[in-house]
Amino acid sequence: NAGVTQTPKFRILKIGQSMTLQCTQDMNHNYMYWYRQDPGMGLKLIYYSVGAGITDKGEVPNGYNVSRSTTEDFPLRLELAAPSQTSVYFCASSGWEAYGYTFGSGTRLTVV
Amino acid sequence: GENVEQHPSTLSVQEGDSAVIKCTYSDSASNYFPWYKQELGKGPQLIIDIRSNVGEKKDQRIAVTLNKTAKHFSLHITETQPEDSAVYFCAASKGSQGNLIFGKGTKLSVKP
Repeated sequence: NAGVTQTPKFRILKIGQSMTLQCTQDMNHNYMYWYRQDPGMGLKLIYYSVGAGITDKGEVPNGYNVSRSTTEDFPLRLELAAPSQTSVYFCASSGWEAYGYTFGSGTRLTVV
Repeated sequence: GENVEQHPSTLSVQEGDSAVIKCTYSDSASNYFPWYKQELGKGPQLIIDIRSNVGEKKDQRIAVTLNKTAKHFSLHITETQPEDSAVYFCAASKGSQGNLIFGKGTKLSVKP
C-alpha cells in the first residue's frame, strides 16, 4: 500500500512559471487536502476536497488552483509562481472527515 | 475561526526524562485533537488523538490530556529516547468540516 504519493519531491521554478504538484492516494479516501509548511509557521491549509468534483478554499488559497476529477488524484496548480510560494507542500487524505490524516512525503518548491 | 497556540517552540531533554508539549485552542466547538510527529524530510505522521468526550488517552509512552473548560490539551512523552527527536504538531478541528488547524510545532531534541 503506497498511501499518499507526491511528485516531484523537489522543484525550482522561475518567477512567472507554472507547474502542477501531483498527489495520488490509493486508500479510497474521500477527503483530500493541500497544506503548505513554512519554517516556524506550522501547516496552512490551501485547498481541500470532500469528494470527486468538489473542492473548496482553505486559509491561504491565493495563487493556487485545484481539481478533483477522480477519488485518487488531487493536483495543485501554481499559475504564476512568486517567491512567496517558496515552501514545502504536503498533500493529505482521510477516509472519515478530519480523523486520521495520512500525509505524503512533501514537495519542496523554490521560486527564484 | 479556530486558532491553535503551541508551546514551547523548542524543547531539549535528556534521554529517559519526560517531555510535555502544550496547546490551547480558541473555538469551543472543536472536538477532535490529534498530535503529529514529523521527522526530518518526511511528512507528519499521526501518533495519537483524542476526542472531546474523553479526558485522557494513553498509548505506551505517549499520552494526551484534554481540558475542555480551559480549552487546552497536552502531549506527554515518558522515558524519552533519541528516536523521539522530531517536530511535533498539535491540531484541532470541529470534525464535520474535516479541516485541521495546526499549531506552529515544537522541535523536541532528546540528548543521549
